[in-house]
Amino acid sequence: KAGVTQTPRYLIKTRGQQVTLSCSPISGHRSVSWYQQTPGQGLQFLFEYFSETQRNKGNFPGRFSGRQFSNSRSEMNVSTLELGDSALYLCASSLVAGGLDTEAFFGQGTRLTVV
Amino acid sequence: DAKTTQPPSMDCAEGRAANLPCNHSTISGNEYVYWYRQIHSQGPQYIIHGLKNNETNEMASLIITEDRKSSTLILPHATLRDTAVYYCIVRVYGGATNKLIFGTGTLLAVQP
Repeated sequence: KAGVTQTPRYLIKTRGQQVTLSCSPISGHRSVSWYQQTPGQGLQFLFEYFSETQRNKGNFPGRFSGRQFSNSRSEMNVSTLELGDSALYLCASSLVAGGLDTEAFFGQGTRLTVV
Repeated sequence: DAKTTQPPSMDCAEGRAANLPCNHSTISGNEYVYWYRQIHSQGPQYIIHGLKNNETNEMASLIITEDRKSSTLILPHATLRDTAVYYCIVRVYGGATNKLIFGTGTLLAVQP
């Protein structure tokens, strides 16, 4: 079956712009989480959605937002981009939220460069 | 969520077993131990998880100490393709969340 699909794979934006990243989870998975990975901070949790509801949020400013659609696809948006937002953004999908024996499957990520 | 401590790097000869340790001395009774790995520039890949019993799958074995304060991931016959950063994570179950807290991980370098 198809894995987690993230689009686009690479993106270059200018400071002050906004960006939207997309994640299509594995078919049947209803939980989608987003992570930011930078060389300095490592992998950090951004937020998590289940059945179109945000279940959990990491410690990021309000410029970072997300949503989930009825087909479980998710988007994250970053407004007023800063140089420090340059990172690999990873999306992970899971079958359910908080269930036993539930592992996360990650996409290949979107590499965002802010110039 | 309990914190984990891992060595920053390890070397292993190709074909030999790689034993990656993880300390999670503050783990709670309702937290599982998960292992993921990340090969350069790819998304993390799930390896294995366990609660208190030792677990084995086609990729690896997970040995959890009786007091659950530490664990070891074992790759029985390491290959060059196993070179990656390995993350040990503890995660609560039953909390309606799949949030993962990643530490700095262990960079495993498999040498030919």
